[in-house]
Amino acid sequence: EPEVTQTPSHQVTQMGQEVILRCVPISNHLYFYWYRQILGQKVEFLVSFYNNEISEKSEIFDDQFSVERPDGSNFTLKIRSTKLEDSAMYFCASKAGDAYNEQFFGPGTRLTVL
Amino acid sequence: QQQVKQSPQSLIVQKGGIPIINCAYENTAFDYFPWYQQFPGKGPALLIAIRPDVSEKKEGRFTISFNKSAKQFSLHIMDSQPGDSATYFCAASGNTPLVFGKGTRLSVIA
Repeated sequence: EPEVTQTPSHQVTQMGQEVILRCVPISNHLYFYWYRQILGQKVEFLVSFYNNEISEKSEIFDDQFSVERPDGSNFTLKIRSTKLEDSAMYFCASKAGDAYNEQFFGPGTRLTVL
Repeated sequence: QQQVKQSPQSLIVQKGGIPIINCAYENTAFDYFPWYQQFPGKGPALLIAIRPDVSEKKEGRFTISFNKSAKQFSLHIMDSQPGDSATYFCAASGNTPLVFGKGTRLSVIA
């Protein structure tokens, strides 16, 4: 069964450093998302991406964040200058098309900012 | 307007019991209501979803009840098993990003 994969599973970084979180969505999917989940809290939407551009973003997704689909398979989230409060699980998700709202989530990357 | 309110925060039931988790929303533009199951250290996995044109949907031991007029929906787990112990999130969207509830931590004890 196809699945969304994410790397790394755990990333530890120093405050102020840049991190790139990587995702490989399901191959025929067209819509891509990043969510985050601070420990013990709900899943929060960050950004959606379709047709090589951001389609929607939340207020969490400020200028420190960027997304890219550098090739036909990867979808990345970059945090330019990490802050302590960026520590969270980051989930990538993808869905096939607009008519199908089922989003499939990856296993997540645990980001720890020290 | 964009919130989805979920209760209870945690729930403990005996094996074979029927836990019920409730969610309420305000945005009438929402037209898709999924439930996700999350085990520790894993990403949310879609369990079951409903659209507002039906009042109930069953998949195996999982049932969603939907009340459009009250803007509420709930998840029932029939014959619950210890393996159902997980965190359950309701969510909603209307061709927009998913808005999640705060989650319910379910423990099914033998």
